[in-house]
Amino acid sequence: EDKVVQSPLSLVVHEGDTVTLNCSYEVTNFRSLLWYKQEKKAPTFLFMLTSSGIEKKSGRLSSILDKKELFSILNITATQTGDSAIYLCAVVESFGNEKLTFGTGTRLTIIP
Amino acid sequence: DAGVIQSPRHEVTEMGQEVTLRCKPISGHDYLFWYRQTMMRGLELLIYFNNNVPIDDSGMPEDRFSAKMPNASFSTLKIQPSEPRDSAVYFCASSRPRDSLNEKLFFGSGTQLSVL
Repeated sequence: EDKVVQSPLSLVVHEGDTVTLNCSYEVTNFRSLLWYKQEKKAPTFLFMLTSSGIEKKSGRLSSILDKKELFSILNITATQTGDSAIYLCAVVESFGNEKLTFGTGTRLTIIP
Repeated sequence: DAGVIQSPRHEVTEMGQEVTLRCKPISGHDYLFWYRQTMMRGLELLIYFNNNVPIDDSGMPEDRFSAKMPNASFSTLKIQPSEPRDSAVYFCASSRPRDSLNEKLFFGSGTQLSVL
């Protein structure tokens, strides 16, 4: 009964390639979806998405949410070796249940 | 602005011993979360507190696990007795009040626990 499913589990690409990471979810009373990047230790925040169809962008990274189809994608263009990390997706349900439920992550490796 | 501070960074212990992990959240954050991360299961929520009160401990695996938050600036996660399957990275995270819809978690650096 996984609520948050990420794919692929791992991905190896060459520097300069573009990658798309997927996150699908199944929760009642969805409130928001968040993306995190985890390199050595602690996950660090990338994006929070609450509305469908609105793209969030930060440099070469962008993300969009589809609340009808219950998924989100994270795009990274012109990848660099520093993008190698585990990318985690998490979902927050409605008020009264404040916990983030994480997917198992996508391990991205960028080959120089 | 200091982030979430966890200690110890690494803990190696023998099966059956008591383990205590510590966390200091960011000042002003009134939510505190304990997560466990393993290769097999990813990041799992163990328990979270709001204003020092435990709200949801459904992720605590067994009675061997307990967590406390005696004040707004300190929390502990205790495992007694520890078992090899408890080996994992334990993260503490904190966040701001929910009414701002700011659910961004700030994570500590984690405690790498190895139970031999």
